[in-house]
Amino acid sequence: DGGITQSPKYLFRKEGQNVTLSCEQNLNHDAMYWYRQDPGQGLRLIYYSQIVNDFQKGDIAEGYSVSREKKESFPLTVTSAQKNPTAFYLCASTHSTGRATEAFFGQGTRLTVV
Amino acid sequence: AQKITQTQPGMFVQEKEAVTLDCTYDTSDQSYGLFWYKQPSSGEMIFLIYQGSYDEQNATEGRYSLNFQKARKSANLVISASQLGDSAMYFCAMREGTAGNKLTFGGGTRVLVKP
Repeated sequence: DGGITQSPKYLFRKEGQNVTLSCEQNLNHDAMYWYRQDPGQGLRLIYYSQIVNDFQKGDIAEGYSVSREKKESFPLTVTSAQKNPTAFYLCASTHSTGRATEAFFGQGTRLTVV
Repeated sequence: AQKITQTQPGMFVQEKEAVTLDCTYDTSDQSYGLFWYKQPSSGEMIFLIYQGSYDEQNATEGRYSLNFQKARKSANLVISASQLGDSAMYFCAMREGTAGNKLTFGGGTRVLVKP
């Protein structure tokens, strides 16, 4: 079955550590996205990539980094510079063309700083 | 300014009744798309319905319909015949014509269906 796989489902980070969240898709989508969701709030865009080896900052990119070396994969690194990383992180993908194309989402990763 | 505003933080609805979730948006683009997603407690985002800015008819998908009023910049979601499984967070989102495929989300509305 085609879809988006995020791992791990739960992640705990110590102060000062970098952690990497995995996102893999087998939908053959060109574009991929990372969103952050805080409790009781909507999603905010961190980074997005429309093609391999290219990505752009979203609204809240500070303290995060990404790479897009393969079409299927778009890992997100939460660096120690991110002062409040505890949140729910969602990865999504879309076809690159077509305004009506909905975004497909993964199951999410819940990151907690301990 | 908020691009997507959902003014109802939470709502109760009786099972089998209809419920309307409000969404207003702000854009200067002529070409844009509006989406509604459902987020159950498990966290995944489920696509419900889409409305394009040039679509002349309101979108419908099963029990979901979108009341699109372009002049008022509103795109309200109507869920008919509510079921217990409809209890979830609902998000309105917009894709603007100049923004590629990026989605901007509202703050969401929590719906609780009462038996």
